[in-house]
Parts: sequence; C-alpha cells; structure tokens
Amino acid sequence: QKEVEQNSGPLSVPEGAIASLNCTYSDRGSQSFFWYRQYSGKSPELIMSIYSNGDKEDGRFTAQLNKASQYVSLLIRDSQPSDSATYLCAVTGGYQKVTFGTGTKLQVIP
Amino acid sequence: DTAVSQTPKYLVTQMGNDKSIKCEQNLGHDTMYWYKQDSKKFLKIMFSYNNKELIINETVPNRFSPKSPDKAHLNLHINSLELGDSAVYFCASSPRDGKDGYTFGSGTRLTVV
Repeated sequence: QKEVEQNSGPLSVPEGAIASLNCTYSDRGSQSFFWYRQYSGKSPELIMSIYSNGDKEDGRFTAQLNKASQYVSLLIRDSQPSDSATYLCAVTGGYQKVTFGTGTKLQVIP
Repeated sequence: DTAVSQTPKYLVTQMGNDKSIKCEQNLGHDTMYWYKQDSKKFLKIMFSYNNKELIINETVPNRFSPKSPDKAHLNLHINSLELGDSAVYFCASSPRDGKDGYTFGSGTRLTVV
C-alpha cells in the first residue's frame, strides 16, 4: 500500500464548478497535511496546510481533514482555467519527512 | 529575489560523467532537502539537512552525495551518471522540520544520454 494515495485523474470540471480532490494516507501518526499545486514544467507551490480535523478555508480553496478516516481533501470553488494543474497531497509523518502522493491532474474546461 | 534558487536549470550529459547541482535559499530556513521527481511526477525524498547536519538519507545509490557548506546551501553531486538518473531534481527548504511546508526551487532537469 502506498503511503499517500491520490487518484491520478485527469479530473475534468467545467469552469465555475467545484473541483473535489481526495487523498488518503496510511500513517496514523501523521501530523501535518499539505496541498501543493504544480503547473506543467514548474515546481510545486504550497497552497494549503491543515493540522487538525475539520475544514480550513482560504479564498476559493477549502482543505478538509479527517484523521479517523485518514483522509484529506481539497475543494476548489468557482474553478478557473488557471486552476488546471497537478495537485499534490503531502503528509508529514516521521521526523522531518514529508511524503507526497502521485498527484491528481485537474483540467478546468472553459 | 528568488527564495530558493537552483543551478543549472537544465543538464544534459553522457553516461558515466560526474555532475553537480547547486541550491541556495535566502529565506533563513534551517532545513533543506533534495527531492527527485520521475517521469510519472512522483516526488521522492532523497536527503534532508538541518543546519548543515544530515537528517534524512533515503535509499539512494552511493553515487549521490549531498554537501551542505552552510545552512543556506545544499549541493548534490552525482558520480558515474546512469540513464535511470534522468529526472527533475528539486531542492526545497522549510523553516521548521517540514511542519510548515516547503518552498521549492525551480528544479533541475537532468537528462543522461
């Protein structure tokens, strides 16, 4: 079983819709959870971090964490074509080690 | 000012050569990392340094040797390059053991021919 799992996609949503990206992790001791956005040919960029159960909102982005289910999600409201990218889920477990998922490719259709 | 800068951006070299990639961060972060991203976009940690001390050394061939002369710099030297080393190598830094997330450099695309 992979440590951090994501559906590779592509996930296609129409412009203006809500995009829902999901991630599961295997290490119950994980403490910090992140979403990174990576445009093609570019480096990953941190867009959200979440540390406790529940929702965290930042603009059009909402991160959701459920530690009991070992599940993290990212919702993007009012999706724009500029949101088209690969979204990487990352989880901090052991000392200083962040493990990334393989990413979900999001395509927002104008 | 670039926060985490890597050089070179592109590196094309023949099998068997030795090459180095340099990374510098001006964020004042204590921890720096090297990650390898393969053709399927999977990011895998290679090394981590905290204030010049090696903290994480994943299962990486001995041909890869990191060096951190100070906490703002982390270089990666690769000996006897192989075709399978072709990938994008990212340097990253974080202020607090990765708990606040990373800032990545722009990456070095290494192609071994």
